[in-house]
Amino acid sequence: GENVEQHPSTLSVQEGDSAVIKCTYSDSASNYFPWYKQELGKGPQLIIDIRSNVGEKKDQRIAVTLNKTAKHFSLHITETQPEDSAVYFCAATPLNAGNMLTFGGGTRLMVKP
Amino acid sequence: DVKVTQSSRYLVKRTGEKVFLECVQDMDHENMFWYRQDPGLGLRLIYFSYDVKMKEKGDIPEGYSVSREKKERFSLILESASTNQTSMYLCASSSTGGVQGGYTFGSGTRLTVV
Repeated sequence: GENVEQHPSTLSVQEGDSAVIKCTYSDSASNYFPWYKQELGKGPQLIIDIRSNVGEKKDQRIAVTLNKTAKHFSLHITETQPEDSAVYFCAATPLNAGNMLTFGGGTRLMVKP
Repeated sequence: DVKVTQSSRYLVKRTGEKVFLECVQDMDHENMFWYRQDPGLGLRLIYFSYDVKMKEKGDIPEGYSVSREKKERFSLILESASTNQTSMYLCASSSTGGVQGGYTFGSGTRLTVV
């Protein structure tokens, strides 16, 4: 089955700096890669996703890139703000997995004011 | 606003008790999932369901069971709670035709077994 690894497990940045979280996946058949943000005391919420026919997608200060050949994808947050502090999860799903997402282990991002 | 609602935010139960965690979604989603979340271990799938009265084991089903009698409701049952089941429990749902719209998660139930 699919295996997703996520790095780093913790990331501390200064407000205004950029943050990058990286994930690798094992199943070359995976074709959908969502990212979730989990704020303290809440459930994860989808913030951005990318499909395998696209190399990059942006939404304001966040962007996701996908390298299918290397089987890795990354989340980029620019001009970080204290409210970006949260746990971020990447996920992947192969074509034959029905409706099952495989999640990475999570990254705790801390943005220092 | 679409929602996945988990009945309790915090629960404290005694060892050996039978515990029910309830999850309800209002999006007419076919698929529902139960995860537990522990520090350093990410999200681990306990059980999932693709349809009413249907259930499938996830990665860590031992000590748990589930019930899905209605499409909108998916219950997680701890048959005899133990201290190693102290955790955050997350319910999620998704549409069969739209997993590529991701899951919708509930806010979680933090369970403490003493």
